[in-house]
Amino acid sequence: GAGVSQTPSNKVTEKGKYVELRCDPISGHTALYWYRQSLGQGPEFLIYFQGTGAADDSGLPNDRFFAVRPEGSVSTLKIQRTERGDSAVYLCASSYGVGETQYFGPGTRLLVL
Amino acid sequence: AQKITQTQPGMFVQEKEAVTLDCTYDTSDPSYGLFWYKQPSSGEMIFLIYQGSYDQQNATEGRYSLNFQKARKSANLVISASQLGDSAMYFCAMSRPNTGNQFYFGTGTSLTVIP
Repeated sequence: GAGVSQTPSNKVTEKGKYVELRCDPISGHTALYWYRQSLGQGPEFLIYFQGTGAADDSGLPNDRFFAVRPEGSVSTLKIQRTERGDSAVYLCASSYGVGETQYFGPGTRLLVL
Repeated sequence: AQKITQTQPGMFVQEKEAVTLDCTYDTSDPSYGLFWYKQPSSGEMIFLIYQGSYDQQNATEGRYSLNFQKARKSANLVISASQLGDSAMYFCAMSRPNTGNQFYFGTGTSLTVIP
């Protein structure tokens, strides 16, 4: 079956611009996660959705970051007023439920100039 | 506080040999899960193997096995009969379902298989 998909695969933007990153989870997975991976590091948690609601957004670095999942499937991570420090790979994962194996998408490589 | 520690930034192994990648974890939760992921240069995180904290036996998946030593809080990944395609970054991760649903990842180990 289809895995987790993410678009775009690469995004180059200028400092101060707004970006949206999209994630389409595995069909039937109710849990969806966003992580950020900086060069040479492991993924760091940003936010987790169970269904349509953000069950845990404790990893969002500041209020420039926001994510939605309006219909309980596709999710969009939104970054306002991008900064050069936001440059990283943004990974999305989904799972059947709590504590279950998370399956990751290919990531979106964001570069802020 | 670092919850997952991977002390080997880089490892080399001869093709067809076995290799062990180290992972130690830190939690006081009685219920947790341990995972290993492979990340090739393409960037996608590929799930390899899972071990639950209450599992009595070490997990195995094909050429992958997890050496789970609960008292030492270690969960080392053993790859047998290494192949050139095993060259990648390997990440150890932990879930703690009772305190949240995020995974905690280590900093990874870069494995290079030498022909």
